[in-house]
Amino acid sequence: DAGVTQSPTHLIKTRGQQVTLRCSPKSGHDTVSWYQQALGQGPQFIFQYYEEEERQRGNFPDRFSGHQFPNYSSELNVNALLLGDSALYLCASSLMNEQFFGPGTRLTVL
Amino acid sequence: AQSVTQPDIHITVSEGASLELRCNYSYGATPYLFWYVQSPGQGLQLLLKYFSGDTLVQGIKGFEAEFKRSQSSFNLRKPSVHWSDAAEYFCAVVFSSGTYKYIFGTGTRLKVLA
Repeated sequence: DAGVTQSPTHLIKTRGQQVTLRCSPKSGHDTVSWYQQALGQGPQFIFQYYEEEERQRGNFPDRFSGHQFPNYSSELNVNALLLGDSALYLCASSLMNEQFFGPGTRLTVL
Repeated sequence: AQSVTQPDIHITVSEGASLELRCNYSYGATPYLFWYVQSPGQGLQLLLKYFSGDTLVQGIKGFEAEFKRSQSSFNLRKPSVHWSDAAEYFCAVVFSSGTYKYIFGTGTRLKVLA
């Protein structure tokens, strides 16, 4: 059983650009959450998708948006990138109250 | 506000020594509690979790944690640390059942001296 997978592994963008990160959940998991982990910090909750709808959202601006597909995979989109968006972006899929995390995508904004 | 506090930013121990990492959370009801470990450049690996029942839980890699309701704490322990335990450790809390929204602490970086 494959775990949570994320792509790409690393990404370099410039300020003002847009980026899309992808996540495939564990088999059987229907809920996907996204987290931002800045250097030296704990992960911060961005939002969560269930049944293709955004169910919860953390304190992130509208530049951060997402999507969940019928196969439960998910995308995180960030528009108008800022230097401060540089971080490790973690995806987690859920079964009951336990989340399983992917390896993350390291985004660098120059 | 719901929050999770890990008071120790850095901890250094000698190999073979015991370890305790602290975690405190705000909120009155009993939450779901987790400890994760993260090696440099890696994602999060679950060490152990507490949902209900026995307040002393065993995890992987010889770790255990004890939930103390009166102190709103969920401290992580290991009786003998190995050099490979050097990593960053995060406490996470789910305050509302069914939401799957994890609140993480800021982490404790563990250094192990040979």
